[in-house]
Amino acid sequence: AIRMTQSPSSLSASTGDRVTITCRASQGISSYLAWYQQKPGKAPKLLIYAASTLQSGVPSRFSGSGSGTDFTLTISCLQSEDFATYYCQQYYSYPITFGQGTRLEIK
Amino acid sequence: QVQLVQSGSELKKPGASVKVSCKASGYTFTSYAMNWVRQAPGQGLEWMGWINTNTGNPTYAQGFTGRFVFSLDTSVSTAYLQISSLKAEDTAVYYCARDGVAGTEWFDPWGQGTLVTVSS
Repeated sequence: AIRMTQSPSSLSASTGDRVTITCRASQGISSYLAWYQQKPGKAPKLLIYAASTLQSGVPSRFSGSGSGTDFTLTISCLQSEDFATYYCQQYYSYPITFGQGTRLEIK
Repeated sequence: QVQLVQSGSELKKPGASVKVSCKASGYTFTSYAMNWVRQAPGQGLEWMGWINTNTGNPTYAQGFTGRFVFSLDTSVSTAYLQISSLKAEDTAVYYCARDGVAGTEWFDPWGQGTLVTVSS
């Protein structure tokens, strides 16, 4: 199985900050990567697919980049509603696997 | 709008069975695969497998064979997850999640989740 490793595991930031979360795959996955946001007690919400395509309705302050094994999710100007846990997911091959999550907290 | 609505929380004793439902609306049910994802308390997301809603053929991830069964009732646009011989470690929130686009395995939308608690 392809292992997805996110860094950092947790991150403290302030409203208005620019933050970047990294996701590394244990082998090349081309651009078959998605990012999700999950708030406590809620289902994950799709933010980005195909590594860099913003899902409809997702604010443009979210962006994704990368291909192969290294990917990033960037939030350009943090808003209060962005404090949540973020997961990457590869869908290059079965079994589909997720990163362990990055918890974004208010500083 | 496209929506997945899951059944409510369940409290079961060890050894019992549970069946979680996931009712789809707003799209043609048989045109998109349905996936199941588990999230243990305080833990990350774990893909359990998927079911072809056109053929009914399920595919299970390693670790989810034997006691876990995916099924469908296409007449009511509903997918099911049944877990038998429940163990304490099955305590988790179980999500159904549709393929975002037919043939791709990023997930959108997700059901709201069903908490299954296994306790004596």
